[in-house]
Amino acid sequence: QVQLQQWGTGLLKPSETLSLTCAVSGGTFTDSHWSWIRQPPGKGLEWVGETDHRGDTNYNPSLERRLTVSVDTSKNQFSLKLTSVTAADAAVYFCAREMGSFDHWGQGTLVTVSS
Amino acid sequence: DIVMTQSPDSLAVSLGDRATINCKSSQSILYMSNNKNYLAWYQKKPGQPPRLLIYSASIRESGVPDRFSGSGSGADFTLTISRLQAEDVAVYYCQQYYIVPRTFGQGTKVEIK
Repeated sequence: QVQLQQWGTGLLKPSETLSLTCAVSGGTFTDSHWSWIRQPPGKGLEWVGETDHRGDTNYNPSLERRLTVSVDTSKNQFSLKLTSVTAADAAVYFCAREMGSFDHWGQGTLVTVSS
Repeated sequence: DIVMTQSPDSLAVSLGDRATINCKSSQSILYMSNNKNYLAWYQKKPGQPPRLLIYSASIRESGVPDRFSGSGSGADFTLTISRLQAEDVAVYYCQQYYIVPRTFGQGTKVEIK
């Protein structure tokens, strides 16, 4: 059974860098794409970006300038870094396995941005 | 980007009745080479991650009750909950995985009447 466990900084000040990591257990890490998705308070779901096991990435154009998604295949982990955060980046961030659709998800991390 | 538009934004249905949610994509998400629609449906409850219900527009994910069904092709899709149960109260999202960026509908909130 595939499981995703995520962690990272939950409280940030404006202009700081958001860092999250997602560890994958079960399944085959090299067979899938690995994504980050976020949900701002009271709003819908927004795809952030993805990587595969080789480090090939795709990003949401609205975040591309500030976003890095990376992978560590030796640990079956992938990470997100989002620089220069503002209040608009406050959200619950989820990691997810992408097999076309997103079939397994992490538990979510609440990220708050406040001065 | 492909824009996904759901209707209605919310609906209230009596227990045991049918709930129907529509999803329209701004372009076809039918992949001609394999005749698959790259459309998924998710259920989102507060404090939980989204749950995949349907993929390829009509294939039910393992473990999903058979009262959930998906239909449609090309650019018009429907999620039907045939006999609404109390535990089905949630927000439902459609999502296309035809191209990057992946995009979601705005969500449809389902409540009990």
